[in-house]
Amino acid sequence: RKEVEQDPGPFNVPEGATVAFNCTYSNSASQSFFWYRQDCRKEPKLLMSVYSSGNEDGRFTAQLNRASQYISLLIRDSKLSDSATYLCVVSPGGGRRALTFGSGTRLQVQP
Amino acid sequence: GAGVSQSPRYKVAKRGQDVALRCDPISGHVSLFWYQQALGQGPEFLTYFQNEAQLDKSGLPSDRFFAERPEGSVSTLKIQRTQQEDSAVYLCASSFLKTGGTSGTEAFFGQGTRLTVV
Repeated sequence: RKEVEQDPGPFNVPEGATVAFNCTYSNSASQSFFWYRQDCRKEPKLLMSVYSSGNEDGRFTAQLNRASQYISLLIRDSKLSDSATYLCVVSPGGGRRALTFGSGTRLQVQP
Repeated sequence: GAGVSQSPRYKVAKRGQDVALRCDPISGHVSLFWYQQALGQGPEFLTYFQNEAQLDKSGLPSDRFFAERPEGSVSTLKIQRTQQEDSAVYLCASSFLKTGGTSGTEAFFGQGTRLTVV
């Protein structure tokens, strides 16, 4: 079982739609959580950190459920420019510093 | 430049050839990570440096892979006797974090080196 699991998609949605991605992680000691965005043939870039209380950044809302060990990302009012792969990322903790990535969920927003 | 720089951007190697991939992290960043990303997959952790110390190399797939960061800045990932399964994008990332927890740490990635072994 992978440490971080995501539905690979693709999610094909029309412009203006609301779309949600979930991600589960296996290490209950994980300390930090992030969503990264990766465009085709580009490097991953931080989209947002995920806090226990949930957090919002414009059209993007991230939630963390430690009890169930899952993280979610909600995108409202999808734009064509949101088309990308969204990577769920976990910092394992326990002295391990490296970020552990899921395989990513591909989003295609269509006109 | 202000970002993480990797070179070369593209590398074609014949099977059995040795390759060296370079990473220039953001100035002042203590932590440096190497990842391997196969097509359609997320980045897979290879190794981690804090300054010049290699604190975690658990992700290196075989003893053909070797990484160093001798002066705590530039890092080189070397792959000996390359095999076709080594074909991937090799990503380098750096972050400012020195000690303590990783809460809120942002890792900045370079554009990667696309290695193709033929």
